[in-house]
Amino acid sequence: EAGVAQSPRYKIIEKRQSVAFWCNPISGHATLYWYQQILGQGPKLLIQFQNNGVVDDSQLPKDRFSAERLKGVDSTLKIQPAKLEDSAVYLCASSLVARGHYEQYFGPGTRLTVT
Amino acid sequence: GQQVMQIPQYQHVQEGEDFTTYCNSSTTLSNIQWYKQRPGGHPVFLIQLVKSGEVKKQKRLTFQFGEAKKNSSLHITATQTTDVGTYFCAGPEGNFGNEKLTFGTGTRLTIIP
Repeated sequence: EAGVAQSPRYKIIEKRQSVAFWCNPISGHATLYWYQQILGQGPKLLIQFQNNGVVDDSQLPKDRFSAERLKGVDSTLKIQPAKLEDSAVYLCASSLVARGHYEQYFGPGTRLTVT
Repeated sequence: GQQVMQIPQYQHVQEGEDFTTYCNSSTTLSNIQWYKQRPGGHPVFLIQLVKSGEVKKQKRLTFQFGEAKKNSSLHITATQTTDVGTYFCAGPEGNFGNEKLTFGTGTRLTIIP
């Protein structure tokens, strides 16, 4: 089966600019996650969707980050305006059900550099 | 919120030596998952442990879940260069049906040929 797709793979922007990332999960996976992974750290959950509803966005900096999952499939994550500390890899993952008993499948990630 | 710590942060071993990473959670876990992330890659699921005291093996990898379900370990026997990467444990938290995973701090393994 096809894996989780993400684009772009790399992005370089200047601070205060905006950027958007796209994710297409594995077909049939109801749950979609966006993680931020800063170099040398573990992935940190930003937002979790169950179909097109938000399950958890407690760690999403809502003043600058937004995410949506239209029709319960693809998702976009946006940052506006970007700050230097947003430089990280943004990982999208999906799983069959958000019940803690199913593994998460990660996409290749988008490496964001903010200058 | 839940915190998941791993030690050591880094481990350098000679090829053929054994390697162990330890994972500790601040709360009791319903299960624990392990992921491997190769340099420049993305996390890949290795295994899930559910039962107290559970031990599972995958070839040279042995995973253990503590009796109190608050700690876990991953042991690799006779490391090979293909084992290079960062190993993360991850534990769920939240309400049943809407759990989210909290990833540990990771242990980065490098192999000296």
